[in-house]
Amino acid sequence: TQLLEQSPQFLSIQEGENLTVYCNSSSVFSSLQWYRQEPGEGPVLLVTVVTGGEVKKLKRLTFQFGDARKDSSLHITAAQTGDTGLYLCAGRSNSGYALNFGKGTSLLVTP
Amino acid sequence: DAGVIQSPRHEVTEMGQEVTLRCKPISGHDYLFWYRQTMMRGLELLIYFNNNVPIDDSGMPEDRFSAKMPNASFSTLKIQPSEPRDSAVYFCASSYRVTGELFFGEGSRLTVL
Repeated sequence: TQLLEQSPQFLSIQEGENLTVYCNSSSVFSSLQWYRQEPGEGPVLLVTVVTGGEVKKLKRLTFQFGDARKDSSLHITAAQTGDTGLYLCAGRSNSGYALNFGKGTSLLVTP
Repeated sequence: DAGVIQSPRHEVTEMGQEVTLRCKPISGHDYLFWYRQTMMRGLELLIYFNNNVPIDDSGMPEDRFSAKMPNASFSTLKIQPSEPRDSAVYFCASSYRVTGELFFGEGSRLTVL
């Protein structure tokens, strides 16, 4: 099982601020996904990245996959209260099919 | 379209009792996954099925846990006997290909007293 380390574990910011959260591993991933989970619900997919160095944008969210496909980052510009939630990264190795999750970054955006 | 449906949403039971969690995947999805989520360990993959056949059960904690998928529209996760350390939120997820997006249910919150 590949270990995915997410940082920071908790983050509390005010509306309008920018933030970056990280997902790191010593293993190489064939693909990496980011999910957001709200209280009482299951995770929901935000994006999938597959190519080293790939950058994807989803409105105010920018996702980057590391060149070596071992790490990823999520940058949120001008955070809104609706961005509050648990952000999870999940990766698949080249040899495995199962999706392994990090423990997540819990984000709280206050007005 | 209906998403992944799990039941019960909440279960409180006493140590030693049998617990059965149920899942109905999205129609047409041929992969089904069971995950467990706790604050300490995050989301852990317990087992997954492809076309109703268990493919990888290496995440199942011990013999007290068992999972079945008798047909394409139904799966169960059973814990017998249950222990307090089994308290967690159990998620079922499905996908139409193993490398695709996982669609999660709302989870079953289990509390074992």
